[in-house]
Amino acid sequence: GAVVSQHPSRVICKSGTSVKIECRSLDFQATTMFWYRQFPKKSLMLMATSNEGSKATYEQGVEKDKFLINHASLTLSTLTVTSAHPEDSSFYICSARTQTGELFFGEGSRLTVL
Amino acid sequence: GENVEQHPSTLSVQEGDSAVIKCTYSDSASNYFPWYKQELGKRPQLIIDIRSNVGEKKDQRIAVTLNKTAKHFSLHITETQPEDSAVYFCAASRENTNAGKSTFGDGTTLTVKP
Repeated sequence: GAVVSQHPSRVICKSGTSVKIECRSLDFQATTMFWYRQFPKKSLMLMATSNEGSKATYEQGVEKDKFLINHASLTLSTLTVTSAHPEDSSFYICSARTQTGELFFGEGSRLTVL
Repeated sequence: GENVEQHPSTLSVQEGDSAVIKCTYSDSASNYFPWYKQELGKRPQLIIDIRSNVGEKKDQRIAVTLNKTAKHFSLHITETQPEDSAVYFCAASRENTNAGKSTFGDGTTLTVKP
């Protein structure tokens, strides 16, 4: 299957700082990528849809100024958690759709905010 | 919007037995139904999918059935093995519209006892 790479896999930061997570489709072009948050033993909660060359579409209740998404190329989307606080600690996962409609996920990034 | 319900939330079977996980969806326009397997601390991986023009699809020990009229689809795993133990998620989406945004079920934790 297609390969989606997410980096970093783990990040620890101080409260008030910003953290950037990258999501790359390595062997295909993805006009659309998705960002999720996953709590322990819970399902994937869609945060936003990242569209190449245009603004991201955020789900209800997700602060767009808090979670900045940039999709500058067909193979890269970034999620920046701004002014992170302990409640932002979570497992963040991205996914990308192939042209045939399948969804492939990144490895996930575990964010811990101290 | 779409609503996907998944049952059961936990399932424990003896090695060699079959496991069945069921999902229902609400949006009659949904036409793509994938299943993902997520092992602890890892990314969800696509294991099988079905589109609305097909009623059943099989891949070795895994099969998926779709009933469009009743708006439900099921994952069947036969001859289960301990390595099948994981969390399984179903999803539903409209391909080619709304960027193919997927709605996920809450997940089923499958435990296969040796």
